[in-house]
Amino acid sequence: GNSVTQMEGPVTLSEEAFLTINCTYTATGYPSLFWYVQYPGEGLQLLLKATKADDKGSNKGFEATYRKETTSFHLEKGSVQVSDSAVYFCALSDLTGGSYIPTFGRGTSLIVHP
Amino acid sequence: ETGVTQSPTHLIKTRGQQVTLRCSSQSGHNTVSWYQQALGQGPQFIFQYYREEENGRGNFPPRFSGLQFPNYSSELNVNALELDDSALYLCASSWGTGRATEAFFGQGTRLTVV
Repeated sequence: GNSVTQMEGPVTLSEEAFLTINCTYTATGYPSLFWYVQYPGEGLQLLLKATKADDKGSNKGFEATYRKETTSFHLEKGSVQVSDSAVYFCALSDLTGGSYIPTFGRGTSLIVHP
Repeated sequence: ETGVTQSPTHLIKTRGQQVTLRCSSQSGHNTVSWYQQALGQGPQFIFQYYREEENGRGNFPPRFSGLQFPNYSSELNVNALELDDSALYLCASSWGTGRATEAFFGQGTRLTVV
């Protein structure tokens, strides 16, 4: 079956540091890949996505590139802010039994200190 | 434009009881998906409804069932509750069921089974 593996958290950084959150996946088909973010007290919201190999998704200074050869979709940001503190979920959507079924990673908590 | 709303926000039930959780989808959306999120884990896909029909199901037993109504709101029913059913239940709505469809999440219902 499909699976998504994220690096364990929490990731603790100082403001303006560089961020990488690793995500690798296994899929039987050709999935679309997503990063969702959950800020404290809020629901999950889409941060960025990529639908084919070598596509780069980007939003709010975050980027991730769909790497089919390494089955990875690592999230990066050049300079984090305190307001980026949240839980980040990597996810894929793959065709299974005629429907697109989503699979989420367990989430990585990011804590940014001033 | 109203977002995804879920009710109730918290619920305590006894093992063996039945529970119904409710979700109002975002305006204009015709698809609703339900997820179970255990503490410290990512969301696990339960099932999806598209235009009132089940359109994909995760690895959950038949005692997890659902409905979608003509206004695209939805219910999740769980029979014969078990202690392991204690979790945050998330509803997400979207327009369509495509490979790269963005899901919009509610804040969830926290179910505790005692």
